[in-house]
Amino acid sequence: GAGVSQTPSNKVTEKGKYVELRCDPISGHTALYWYRQSLGQGPEFLIYFQGTGAADDSGLPNDRFFAVRPEGSVSTLKIQRTERGDSAVYLCASRPGPTSTEQYFGPGTRLTVT
Amino acid sequence: GIQVEQSPPDLILQEGANSTLRCNFSDSVNNLQWFHQNPWGQLINLFYIPSGTKQNGRLSATTVATERYSLLYISSSQTTDSGVYFCAVPGLMNRDDKIIFGKGTRLHILP
Repeated sequence: GAGVSQTPSNKVTEKGKYVELRCDPISGHTALYWYRQSLGQGPEFLIYFQGTGAADDSGLPNDRFFAVRPEGSVSTLKIQRTERGDSAVYLCASRPGPTSTEQYFGPGTRLTVT
Repeated sequence: GIQVEQSPPDLILQEGANSTLRCNFSDSVNNLQWFHQNPWGQLINLFYIPSGTKQNGRLSATTVATERYSLLYISSSQTTDSGVYFCAVPGLMNRDDKIIFGKGTRLHILP
């Protein structure tokens, strides 16, 4: 079946602009995660949704970052007043549910802030 | 928080060679995943292996939870094995709300 999909695959924006990154999880997966991967590093956790609610947002770096999942499926990561340091690959993952442990990752969105 | 260390950081091998990648973690864990990130950036699940040994074709993995390490073995390497290999463990024991990644081992297989 279809895997996790993310759009856009690439996004170039100017410093100070607002961006939205979208994630479509695997159908039926209730848990959804956002990670950020900088060059040469492993992915770093940002936020986790179980259903519609953010169960853990401890990884969001500051209040410019916000994510929603209004219907418990698609999620949008929103970044306000982008900074050059926000440039990274943003990865989304989903997991079937509380009793499952494996996370499945999408291809990522490469964000470049100029 | 839990620390994950992977070694070696970089590995260059000739096609056909075997390799062993290591993941050490600083605290007890109840699950561990190995991923391969291909040159296009896609993270591919290799193994979910909280303990014991699993094999999938030319790849196998062993986790010794009591000694806080896991090993990934790649036999008869192919150029398509190139990429970065990550291990990842839960951020908090018995909670799977986030996983912590190591910095990865970058593997380059020469034809």
